[in-house]
Amino acid sequence: EVQLLESGGGLVQPGGSLRLSCAASGFTFSSYAMSWVRQAPGKGLEWVSSISGGSGTTYYADSVKGRFTISRDNSKNTLFVQMNSLKAEDTAIYYCAKGQVAAPDSIRFDPWGQGTLVTVSS
Amino acid sequence: EIVLTQSPGTLSLSPGERATLSCRASQSVSNNFLAWYQQKPGQAPRLLIYVASSRATGIPDRFSGSGSGTDFTLTINRLEPEDFAVYYCQQYGTSPLTFGPGTKVDIK
Repeated sequence: EVQLLESGGGLVQPGGSLRLSCAASGFTFSSYAMSWVRQAPGKGLEWVSSISGGSGTTYYADSVKGRFTISRDNSKNTLFVQMNSLKAEDTAIYYCAKGQVAAPDSIRFDPWGQGTLVTVSS
Repeated sequence: EIVLTQSPGTLSLSPGERATLSCRASQSVSNNFLAWYQQKPGQAPRLLIYVASSRATGIPDRFSGSGSGTDFTLTINRLEPEDFAVYYCQQYGTSPLTFGPGTKVDIK
């Protein structure tokens, strides 16, 4: 069974940094693209970033480009996102999700982790 | 960026009725790479349909997807109590990947 478990969320001040992790199990991690998708409280879903199975290709939403960095450690089956210069509008539940192929473009999300809450506030 | 519009915003129905949800794209969705997700309160989204009409693993056959190009539909036949939730469409044919705003199906 595929399992995704996010961690690292919490309260951070505007301008601060946070690193989220997603521990994966139940599949050959390096063979699949992985993504981060977020959901602001009471709002809809927003794709944030995706990374190829081999880490060579990354994509970012314009809203986070230059501030967030996605990465993965295939030896530890773990996905990361480093979030810098955080803003109030980054407040959301952050979900990691598995793609259906190794390439990070044209991917759907299945399954999703349970998410970790990031709150940016002073 | 492809903008997805979902209608209606809220659909109030009774168990046993049929739900018809619409997702319209601002431009043609490449390869009909259109997915539908279900999200219940406090839970992560779950993939229901991909490539417009293929059911994901373990999804009951009362869920069906149809459409192509810019107009897509999710149909839920004979609503079960566990089907009352929010449904999102997502296009994954063109970067950036985008979601619709969601349709809430609630109990009438």
